Amino acid sequence: NAGVTQTPKFRVLKTGQSMTLLCAQDMNHEYMYWYRQDPGMGLRLIHYSVGEGTTAKGEVPDGYNVSRLKKQNFLLGLESAAPSQTSVYFCASGTGITEAFFGQGTRLTVV
Amino acid sequence: DAKTTQPPSMDCAEGRAANLPCNHSTISGNEYVYWYRQIHSQGPQYIIHGLKNNETNEMASLIITEDRKSSTLILPHATLRDTAVYYCIVRGSIYNQGGKLIFGQGTELSVKP
Repeated sequence: NAGVTQTPKFRVLKTGQSMTLLCAQDMNHEYMYWYRQDPGMGLRLIHYSVGEGTTAKGEVPDGYNVSRLKKQNFLLGLESAAPSQTSVYFCASGTGITEAFFGQGTRLTVV
Repeated sequence: DAKTTQPPSMDCAEGRAANLPCNHSTISGNEYVYWYRQIHSQGPQYIIHGLKNNETNEMASLIITEDRKSSTLILPHATLRDTAVYYCIVRGSIYNQGGKLIFGQGTELSVKP
């Protein structure tokens, strides 16, 4: 049982490049979430999804897009990366009423 | 989204109980209190959650005041491996908030020998 798997684990991008972060869960969870964490800060919610085909904005959605085409996958896209998006990105999944499970993070650096 | 207030840091002696306070004075009646911790920038780890009654599991105990405006996480016998940032979270309703977990700054707990 893999739980929540994030791909890739590390990435360096140049300003203006695009990329997609993949979050996959094998627990049949309806709810999935994307967070970012900057140094010394708590996690901030970017976007979330309450089921396949749905997405909603969180606290800091600007500069990101998401898609939930399959229940087990939640994709986070950066269309034109900026240095301000350098961060650690965490994905989580859950039932919405019990604990959410987090992945191990993707460390993204934009130069 | 209900906000929480936690002390930024706390120390605890190894083997002693660690009591981590949290204020959540704007919590709504159907919102749960969750506690997570994060060790060395790993993914957050679930500890415990509750609505109005005190809760206990193999990791910790959660004491929620009767008015639900504050709570305390208790690690009964802290070890060095409990050194982490502890987050108290009021979880949004699944009916209109997607069950969101909104993190604050947390409390950095240092367990010392």
